[in-house]
Order: sequence, then structure tokens, then C-alpha cells
Amino acid sequence: KQEVTQIPAALSVPEGENLVLNCSFTDSAIYNLQWFRQDPGKGLTSLLLIQSSQREQTSGRLNASLDKSSGRSTLYIAASQPGDSATYLCAANTDKLIFGTGTRLQVFP
Amino acid sequence: EADIYQTPRYLVIGTGKKITLECSQTMGHDKMYWYQQDPGMELHLIHYSYGVNSTEKGDLSSESTVSRIRTEHFPLTLESARPSHTSQYLCASSVDGSNYGYTFGSGTRLTVV
Repeated sequence: KQEVTQIPAALSVPEGENLVLNCSFTDSAIYNLQWFRQDPGKGLTSLLLIQSSQREQTSGRLNASLDKSSGRSTLYIAASQPGDSATYLCAANTDKLIFGTGTRLQVFP
Repeated sequence: EADIYQTPRYLVIGTGKKITLECSQTMGHDKMYWYQQDPGMELHLIHYSYGVNSTEKGDLSSESTVSRIRTEHFPLTLESARPSHTSQYLCASSVDGSNYGYTFGSGTRLTVV
């Protein structure tokens, strides 16, 4: 059974810092891995989708890497801004999408 | 614009009432899903469908039921709401095939009093 873990559970940083959010999964037989952002009480916004054959994906200040063999993915956020404050979720797709518990990020001015 | 819509956005209802949460998508996706998320907790899959007349239970046991009569529509029903059903319910869809990601709706926040 696929299990997804995210570290750290919470992160509070000053504006401008470069951030690293970690995601690990137990079953490496994934189709892809997806990173989402969730604002309080809202739905999920897809940030990046990495296929199992890919090593990384980039969108603006976000970069996600995938090491399928070791069961790890990392989301890098460059030059963080207060508007980046949200919960970040990774989800591993093994036919169904299995979510981690998320990293709650707060970026203060 | 292709999207996935959930209604209502918020619902407060009394114990014992029957409720239906609506989910519709305009993207022609075959696969649709319902996730349940308690405040501050992770998302758990409660129902999914791979097409019309296909419904399956997810990893988390739920007293709710679903139907898939049309490709674009995947409603979730609670026959008799209880306070333990208080949660956020998120609907998602995806293209058939392993290379595609999921698209989520804005969610329905349900409170049963």
C-alpha cells in the first residue's frame, strides 16, 4: 500500500529565502507525482506534474525533482514571497492519487 | 473554459437530512474522484469512477454513495447526515491514461449540526 510522507510538517521563513520541501513515497511503481497548493478552506491548485520517466519539472520560481528509485521528490521554491504562504501537498499516482499530509508554509515580510 | 465545478461551496445542515453534493466537469474526463479532508488533515479517497455506470469505493470507508449516469456529472449523496460527516469534500477528474494529472474543484465544506 502506497504511503506518502512530507517533511517538514510546517515551515515559517522570512521573505526572500529559497525553500526545500520534501516528499517520500514507499511504492516506487508510480505513473507520476503531482505537487499541489492548498489555501485555507479551499480546493487544490496543481503546481507541477512529474512523469515517472522525468527527473524534474520547472514552472516560474518552482522546481520539482523526482528520484523514483529512492522514492523521493523535492519541491524548491526560489525567492519566497508572502503570497506563497499555503499548504503544499505532494501526491503519488499509482492508478489512484495518494496524498501526503502536507507542509504548511508561512512566509513573513 | 474547461473546469470542474462543485456546489454548494458551503452547507450547514441538520442531523438526519439527506444531502447531495454536486460535481460537474466540462473537460470530458472519464475518471472522476471524491476525496474527504478533515480540517488540518490529509486527503482520503472515498469514491472513484472510471466512466459512465462505473463506481468504486476508495481507501477510506464512507457512508456516502455516488452515481455516474453522465460523463460530466458525479454527485455524492448522504442519505442521513450525522455530525461525524462534517468535513470538506473535494471532487477531482483526470484523463484516462497514466500520464495525466488530476484537476480539483474548489470543494464543499459540509457542517452537520
